[in-house]
Amino acid sequence: QKEVEQDPGPLSVPEGAIVSLNCTYSNSAFQYFMWYRQYSRKGPELLMYTYSSGNKEDGRFTAQVDKSSKYISLFIRDSQPSDSATYLCAMSKGNTPLVFGKGTRLSVIA
Amino acid sequence: SAVISQKPSRDICQRGTSLTIQCQVDSQVTMMFWYRQQPGQSLTLIATANQGSEATYESGFVIDKFPISRPNLTFSTLTVSNMSPEDSSIYLCSVDPGAGNTIYFGEGSWLTVV
Repeated sequence: QKEVEQDPGPLSVPEGAIVSLNCTYSNSAFQYFMWYRQYSRKGPELLMYTYSSGNKEDGRFTAQVDKSSKYISLFIRDSQPSDSATYLCAMSKGNTPLVFGKGTRLSVIA
Repeated sequence: SAVISQKPSRDICQRGTSLTIQCQVDSQVTMMFWYRQQPGQSLTLIATANQGSEATYESGFVIDKFPISRPNLTFSTLTVSNMSPEDSSIYLCSVDPGAGNTIYFGEGSWLTVV
């Protein structure tokens, strides 16, 4: 079993839809959870950062961490065509290299 | 956060040659990382480069193939040596600015080996 599992998609939604992106993980020692957005042929951009369990909201984006289920989510409300990108989850135990999911490719259709 | 500049942004290289990628950060950082992202794949850590010490390589990556320099707290280079088509990839420089267990990436260097 890989340390971090993420459905690669592609996921296609109409503009204005709520998008749910998810990752599961196997290592209960992970404490720090991140979501990165990567546009085609660009470097990943940090979108959300969460420590331990709970929710964090930033504009249209909400990150959720459920450590009991080893499950993290990113919700995008009122999705826009500019949200079309690959979304990568990442996590770490603290002062250790990040472990990345494979990324989910999202297309928001106008 | 940190602003990270990488050069070259992309290049087409001949098999058997070597290419050095430069990474410049706008602030002093202790920890810098080099990642590889092969087509359709996620990010794989090549090595951690801390100033004043030898780079630490991950399993499957060796110094002879990917020599790294870290001369100061704002700059690093990664060389991809004796390239083959399997080295065609995006190479990403990243830094941990010390704000707490997260990292920021440069725009990446897209290498195609022919």
